[in-house]
Amino acid sequence: RKEVEQDPGPFNVPEGATVAFNCTYSNSASQSFFWYRQDCRKEPKLLMSVYSSGNEDGRFTAQLNRASQYISLLIRDSKLSDSATYLCVVSPHNNDMRFGAGTRLTVKP
Amino acid sequence: NAGVTQTPKFRVLKTGQSMTLLCAQDMNHEYMYWYRQDPGMGLRLIHYSVGEGTTAKGEVPDGYNVSRLKKQNFLLGLESAAPSQTSVYFCASSRTSPEQYFGPGTRLTVT
Repeated sequence: RKEVEQDPGPFNVPEGATVAFNCTYSNSASQSFFWYRQDCRKEPKLLMSVYSSGNEDGRFTAQLNRASQYISLLIRDSKLSDSATYLCVVSPHNNDMRFGAGTRLTVKP
Repeated sequence: NAGVTQTPKFRVLKTGQSMTLLCAQDMNHEYMYWYRQDPGMGLRLIHYSVGEGTTAKGEVPDGYNVSRLKKQNFLLGLESAAPSQTSVYFCASSRTSPEQYFGPGTRLTVT
């Protein structure tokens, strides 16, 4: 079983749609959680950290459920520019980041 | 600031050849990392460094060596390249927090 599992997609949605991704992790001792965004043939870039209380950044909302060991990312009012692969990242401790394989999103006009 | 830079961007090697990938960061970060990314898999940590002169093994260290002689540079070496090392290699750096900043990647093909 992979440490961090994501639905690879692809998710194909129209502009303006709301889309949600989930990610599950196996290490219950994990301390930190993140969503990264990776454009085609580019490097991953931090999208947002995920806090126990949940957090929101504009159209993006991240939630953490420690009891069920999953993380979610909600994107509202999707834009064409949101098309990318979204990586779920779980960190048991500093210097140890475990990456999911990513969920691919395509937003269409 | 350039952030994290990697050289070269692309490279083709023959089996058995050696090469060194260079990573440089200008953010004064203590920690640096080398990952590989393969289709259908998450990034996997090869080696990392928590400071100048220190290195440690990650998840997939076999076939690779690293050195961190200067704080701003982290080198990844392949002594005898194998086709299984065909991949995209990313360097990253961070402060003491786990949030990492990535370089643009090196696409390596071993034939």
